[in-house]
Amino acid sequence: DSGVTQTPKHLITATGQRVTLRCSPRSGDLSVYWYQQSLDQGLQFLIQYYNGEERAKGNILERFSAQQFPDLHSELNLSSLELGDSALYFCASSVTIQRGTDTQYFGPGTRLTVL
Amino acid sequence: AQSVTQLDSHVSVSEGTPVLLRCNYSSSYSPSLFWYVQHPNKGLQLLLKYTSAATLVKGINGFEAEFKKSETSFHLTKPSAHMSDAAEYFCVVIRVTGVNQFYFGTGTSLTVIP
Repeated sequence: DSGVTQTPKHLITATGQRVTLRCSPRSGDLSVYWYQQSLDQGLQFLIQYYNGEERAKGNILERFSAQQFPDLHSELNLSSLELGDSALYFCASSVTIQRGTDTQYFGPGTRLTVL
Repeated sequence: AQSVTQLDSHVSVSEGTPVLLRCNYSSSYSPSLFWYVQHPNKGLQLLLKYTSAATLVKGINGFEAEFKKSETSFHLTKPSAHMSDAAEYFCVVIRVTGVNQFYFGTGTSLTVIP
């Protein structure tokens, strides 16, 4: 158990809908990262937050947005869902942004199925 | 620029034989490097990490990796494969310039044949 929690574990929804994925980082970790993993695209970095502020953006679609709250949990919002958004979404957390000794710890993931 | 290249997308070994998963990195300065393992339908688990201490790093489940600066490599090895090692393995380099950014390789799928 990494200490990173994600809810829900599974989500099934229809095209055009909007969903919210939630992540709670390990105790003491200030950074949260979101990743999308699909069979055709592999593991893709989406976005990184540190202590409530967006710090890095990867291949995140405009239909997707995220935020990190004062209690450090994070939410990933996916809207106008398409079939191709079906994937595993992982959250990871790490302690600090300043040192190369930082380590990411991953949550178990949320499996999103868009029908 | 930082990046990692995993040289094999699939590796197949027989149970009890050695495992070698290859990773090359590019980095403007001394990197921090990681190997993660992902079992089917599971999250990524840290196997080991190199952070400029000993060049031979020991991880969990009998895995180890050697940092070779001259070859810009960080290959993952295990003397004897076990069926439970069948998984996807990711090599990761970290960019440290105020904001840590993690760069993932494309992954190597390890199959262990009984």
